[in-house]
Amino acid sequence: EVQLVESGGRLVQPEESLRLSCSASGFTFSDRGMNWVRQAPGKGLEWISYISGSSSTISYADSVKGRFTVSRDNAKNSVFLQMNSLRDDDTAVYYCARRWFGEPAGAFDLWGQGTMVIVSS
Amino acid sequence: QSVLTQPPSVSGAPGQRVTISCTGSRSNIGAGYDVHWYQQLPGRAPTVLIHASTNRPSGVPDRFSGSKSGTSASLAISGLQAEDEADYYCQSYDSSLSGWVFGGGTKLTVL
Repeated sequence: EVQLVESGGRLVQPEESLRLSCSASGFTFSDRGMNWVRQAPGKGLEWISYISGSSSTISYADSVKGRFTVSRDNAKNSVFLQMNSLRDDDTAVYYCARRWFGEPAGAFDLWGQGTMVIVSS
Repeated sequence: QSVLTQPPSVSGAPGQRVTISCTGSRSNIGAGYDVHWYQQLPGRAPTVLIHASTNRPSGVPDRFSGSKSGTSASLAISGLQAEDEADYYCQSYDSSLSGWVFGGGTKLTVL
C-alpha cells in the first residue's frame, strides 16, 4: 500500500527538542522529494521544510530556519524532522507529504495522517 | 497573514456552483509557478484536488476545475454536494521565500 506514516509527536516543554519520523511504503522513496507541513489547532497549512530525493536540496521556512533540521535515510524509506528550541507556537499537527514526481514546484500528492506536537509548560 | 489570499468562507446550496479565489503576487503565481488546490475534510489530512493549476488527479470528479490568470487562480466546484463541505487550500511556490506557500484556507458550507 502506498502510504506515509508519521510518528514521534508528543507533549514537550518549551526549549526542548523532538524528532519526528515519517515512514514511507509502496513507492520508490529515493525518487521523491519530501516535505513537512504543519497545521496549528484551528489554523491553516504551513509548509516548513523540503528535502530532495538525494538530500542535495534542502529548504526551510523562515519560521523554523536555524531550529529545525530535515534529513532522510533512503535505505530505511524514512524522512526525519529534528526540532530544537521548541516554542509554544510550534504546537501543531505535523504532516509529511510527498512532492509530485518530476515537478520542481509540484503539488504534494501523498500525505501522512499527521502527528501532534504540543509545546507547553 | 498568508502569502496567498483566499476568502475565509463560501457557501452554496446543493447543485449550485461556487468559486474560491486565490490571489498571489509576482513572486509566486505571477512568476508562472503552478497553483495547486487541496481539500481537507474535518479531522483528515489534506488531499490534492487540482495540480498544475488545471489538472485533476485520477479519482477527482470533474465537478472540480481550476484556472489561473496573472497573479490569481480560482477553484470552481459545480453541482455542489453535501460531501464537498470541507476546507480548501491553494498552494504555489514562492521564489522570494524559496519555498512553498499556502493560502489561508476557505471553509465551504453546503447549505
